[in-house]
Amino acid sequence: GAVVSQHPSRVICKSGTSVKIECRSLDFQATTMFWYRQFPKKSLMLMATSNEGSKATYEQGVEKDKFLINHASLTLSTLTVTSAHPEDSSFYICSARDGGSGGLETQYFGPGTRLLVL
Amino acid sequence: GQNIDQPTEMTATEGAIVQINCTYQTSGFNGLFWYQQHAGEAPTFLSYNVLDGLEEKGRFSSFLSRSKGYSYLLLKELQMKDSASYLCAVMDSNYQLIWGAGTKLIIKP
Repeated sequence: GAVVSQHPSRVICKSGTSVKIECRSLDFQATTMFWYRQFPKKSLMLMATSNEGSKATYEQGVEKDKFLINHASLTLSTLTVTSAHPEDSSFYICSARDGGSGGLETQYFGPGTRLLVL
Repeated sequence: GQNIDQPTEMTATEGAIVQINCTYQTSGFNGLFWYQQHAGEAPTFLSYNVLDGLEEKGRFSSFLSRSKGYSYLLLKELQMKDSASYLCAVMDSNYQLIWGAGTKLIIKP
């Protein structure tokens, strides 16, 4: 099946620094990528949807200047948490929709990135 | 508004059968998904239903009734490794996934 990778898998940073998370589709072209955030024992919360070559669409309540998303190619999207604070500590998961052979329902998840801001 | 309801937690015994229910109210419907998520890991795909009826895949089966806005995930011959959260998600008219809060399944020996 299709594979989506995320890097890093785990990051610890100081408050005020910026952290970049990469999401890559390894064997398919991802026309659309999604970024989710998950708090402990809670469901996934969609943060934004990004389409290759265009600006990301952010969900209500998600600060676009805080969470910068770039989807520069069909295989790579990045999420940058700018000036991270302890409340940004969370599990961040990306997923990618296969724009090729898969249907619109075909969405593959990355393994997630656990961010801890001290 | 859009809403997905599923029980918060369920407990079952190894070797038994468990049914996890999911009810939904969404703007449009383009299919219902079940995902399994182990603690600290990303969700993994289990099943997709877009037509009414039962889809069987090994020990796991998923049922859908669109008229009732209802689905269930049936797990047979439970194993300890099935202890996880099970997420119900519905794809709405915009092809966006609407997620339930997940059901934590605890398997006891």
